[in-house]
Amino acid sequence: KAGVTQTPRYLIKTRGQQVTLSCSPISGHRSVSWYQQTPGQGLQFLFEYFSETQRNKGNFPGRFSGRQFSNSRSEMNVSTLELGDSALYLCASTQRGNTGELFFGEGSRLTVL
Amino acid sequence: QQQVKQSPQSLIVQKGGISIINCAYENTAFDYFPWYQQFPGKGPALLIAIRPDVSEKKEGRFTISFNKSAKQFSLHIMDSQPGDSATYFCAASRGGGSARQLTFGSGTQLTVLP
Repeated sequence: KAGVTQTPRYLIKTRGQQVTLSCSPISGHRSVSWYQQTPGQGLQFLFEYFSETQRNKGNFPGRFSGRQFSNSRSEMNVSTLELGDSALYLCASTQRGNTGELFFGEGSRLTVL
Repeated sequence: QQQVKQSPQSLIVQKGGISIINCAYENTAFDYFPWYQQFPGKGPALLIAIRPDVSEKKEGRFTISFNKSAKQFSLHIMDSQPGDSATYFCAASRGGGSARQLTFGSGTQLTVLP
């Protein structure tokens, strides 16, 4: 069974630009969560989607948004990039009703110059 | 209320030794406490998890000890091996179902010397 797939793995953007990251969950998993990982702030929850609906949202500005498609694939978008948005963005999926185990992808490393 | 405090920040252990990482939480609504292991260039992977109705859970060389009254939990790695060298994160969540929102500790970088 394939794991969580995230694309692109690495990308470089400049301040003010926007970026879209993609996540394909494990087959059969309907919940997708996004986390931001930085050396200073650690792992922080961004949002969680289930059946194309955002069910939880972390404490991030509105520049961070996401969506989920009918096939459970998810995208997150960051607009008007700032230097502080440089981070590893991790996607995780889980089955509905699961005990809580999240399966993480390898992440998309974003560098903002 | 949502914080999970983790210590130590880094840990160096000799091969065969015991590695101990501690976490403390504030929110008594948390009902699920997983530990994740992360290798460089990889995403975190679930190692072991516990719920507050038990005080200890063991899986192979990994044991979680949970103290509900003190709001603390710890990870013990017995017979530590160089392959265990990684970053370990404790976490906590509440709410049940698939709408889990994990609050992570700051991480512990474990180095096991051969």
